[in-house]
Amino acid sequence: EADIYQTPRYLVIGTGKKITLECSQTMGHDKMYWYQQDPGMELHLIHYSYGVNSTEKGDLSSESTVSRIRTEHFPLTLESARPSHTSQYLCASSERALGGPYNEQFFGPGTRLTVL
Amino acid sequence: KNQVEQSPQSLIILEGKNCTLQCNYTVSPFSNLRWYKQDTGRGPVSLTIMTFSENTKSNGRYTATLDADTKQSSLHITASQLSDSASYICVVSDRGSTLGRLYFGRGTQLTVWP
Repeated sequence: EADIYQTPRYLVIGTGKKITLECSQTMGHDKMYWYQQDPGMELHLIHYSYGVNSTEKGDLSSESTVSRIRTEHFPLTLESARPSHTSQYLCASSERALGGPYNEQFFGPGTRLTVL
Repeated sequence: KNQVEQSPQSLIILEGKNCTLQCNYTVSPFSNLRWYKQDTGRGPVSLTIMTFSENTKSNGRYTATLDADTKQSSLHITASQLSDSASYICVVSDRGSTLGRLYFGRGTQLTVWP
């Protein structure tokens, strides 16, 4: 079944630890995105990718990094987690429809990260 | 500055009642507007999408309207159900870049009581 997956769903970790949030999609989409969302606030784009070996920073400055070695996989890494990184992280993907109006983004279930 | 404003911030209604959520935007050049439903602890799921030439779109009990002249949209929910309790997010896309950048509102938190 075509879908987008994120693991783990919940993560509680201590300050200074290195973490990787996983995101995989089985829809064959070229574009993938990472968003950060705090309670009651709008989603903020932190990273995106047009395809394999393409990664760009989004609107919101983030200390995280991403990689895109395979089309279906777009992991996000924090080298040294801090309490300020506590948030919900949402992964999304869309087709590479340049200029098309229906560039719908499909979202994963999210990872709730808590850094103590 | 491209922005999306939603009102009310939160809303409580009784099961079976109707409600209307509002969205005002300043995004330009406009491509399309979507309403997403986000259940607690989950990712957003698209309900409707409208382009510049469309002024209404329905999806079951959800009906969205768009006034591109005044840059306003509304989402009307009829005969509400307990499962409608969620955050409803208005999302506007511009057509000024190949990314198709999305601008998100903060959402309206809807609670349906039995």
